Amino acid sequence: EPEVTQTPSHQVTQMGQEVILRCVPISNHLYFYWYRQILGQKVEFLVSFYNNEISEKSEIFDDQFSVERPDGSNFTLKIRSTKLEDSAMYFCAIEGVLEAFFGQGTRLTVV
Amino acid sequence: DAKTTQPPSMDCAEGRAANLPCNHSTISGNEYVYWYRQIHSQGPQYIIHGLKNNETNEMASLIITEDRKSSTLILPHATLRDTAVYYCIVRVVEYNAGNMLTFGGGTRLMVKP
Repeated sequence: EPEVTQTPSHQVTQMGQEVILRCVPISNHLYFYWYRQILGQKVEFLVSFYNNEISEKSEIFDDQFSVERPDGSNFTLKIRSTKLEDSAMYFCAIEGVLEAFFGQGTRLTVV
Repeated sequence: DAKTTQPPSMDCAEGRAANLPCNHSTISGNEYVYWYRQIHSQGPQYIIHGLKNNETNEMASLIITEDRKSSTLILPHATLRDTAVYYCIVRVVEYNAGNMLTFGGGTRLMVKP
């Protein structure tokens, strides 16, 4: 099973601040995803990223969000101006042969 | 919205088989059935997937009915560490492509001593 490392494991930020969540797959993959899970709610798809472009995004993924792969290995999710409702677990996932493998998540707390 | 229906919760005795059902009556011909689980607030963990044949791996077995409208995930000898929320998901898969997973509420499996 491919390994996906997410950093930080927990981030606390003030409302209105920018945050960058990072995902580092151990091996090279072409397809990446970000999902989020608000406490007590379902896991929700945010965006998929293929070949350095967004291939799909959900309604949640508005202009406050952006993704990039700045150095060919890290995959980042940026939230430009955080809101209280952005508090959630954020999961990165990579596509294997026919399966998606998830990281352990970043817990984002906006205060 | 998720295209699957699962019971919200189930109990299982430790050491016994856990059989988790899933209905996906509107599944399309090119959609696979996937099972993931989530232990506490950890990242979802891939368990198994199948198209129409039954599948088995080191974690579980997947039984898909002939009409593909339902399936059952079987954990042959449940342990306390199998306590988790189990998600049944139908998903189109294309080789060398990615397709999002749509999570529903899942089944909360409680394995009891």
